[in-house]
Amino acid sequence: AQSVAQPEDQVNVAEGNPLTVKCTYSVSGNPYLFWYVQYPNRGLQFLLKYITGDNLVKGSYGFEAEFNKSQTSFHLKKPSALVSDSALYFCAVRDLYNQGGKLIFGQGTELSVKP
Amino acid sequence: EAQVTQNPRYLITVTGKKLTVTCSQNMNHEYMSWYRQDPGLGLRQIYYSMNVEVTDKGDVPEGYKVSRKEKRNFPLILESPSPNQTSLYFCASSLSLAGGPYEQYFGPGTRLTVT
Repeated sequence: AQSVAQPEDQVNVAEGNPLTVKCTYSVSGNPYLFWYVQYPNRGLQFLLKYITGDNLVKGSYGFEAEFNKSQTSFHLKKPSALVSDSALYFCAVRDLYNQGGKLIFGQGTELSVKP
Repeated sequence: EAQVTQNPRYLITVTGKKLTVTCSQNMNHEYMSWYRQDPGLGLRQIYYSMNVEVTDKGDVPEGYKVSRKEKRNFPLILESPSPNQTSLYFCASSLSLAGGPYEQYFGPGTRLTVT
């Protein structure tokens, strides 16, 4: 079965510091990986995705993610965190072979950026 | 503006009183899906639809119904709501999987409380 794990419930960083939100996956076949962000009282917003090609994927709001096949990881990164980045972040894999291509989500990581 | 809309955004109801949560997208997407979000569990798929008149069960379909009579609309129906259906619900849509692992776009969410 395909799965995604986010090992940290919460990540705390100081504004201006680099941030990393971790994600590992377990899939059969090629992984189609996504990062979404959820701000309070809002829906999920798409940040970036990895389908194939370059292991470093750039997305919205200055975020990027590094795909590492040997470590089965897809960590979300940003060189300099902003207070406005504080939100709930979800890593997900799209299972193209089951249930119409559903997204399988990790549990979510709460990112808190302090001034 | 390309978007997925849901109504109502907030709903408090009593056990057994039928309700419908509407979902509509204006992006001409073939694929639509419903998820529920619960603390510590991430998001789980309830039902999905590959196209008009084609729907199928997700991971947690018990107690829910859906219909897809038009491409843009995908309502979620709770015939007899119970307290364990208290949750945050999201509708999502994407282009057809035949074209690739496209990202899904999410509505703003509906917070349902069943007493």
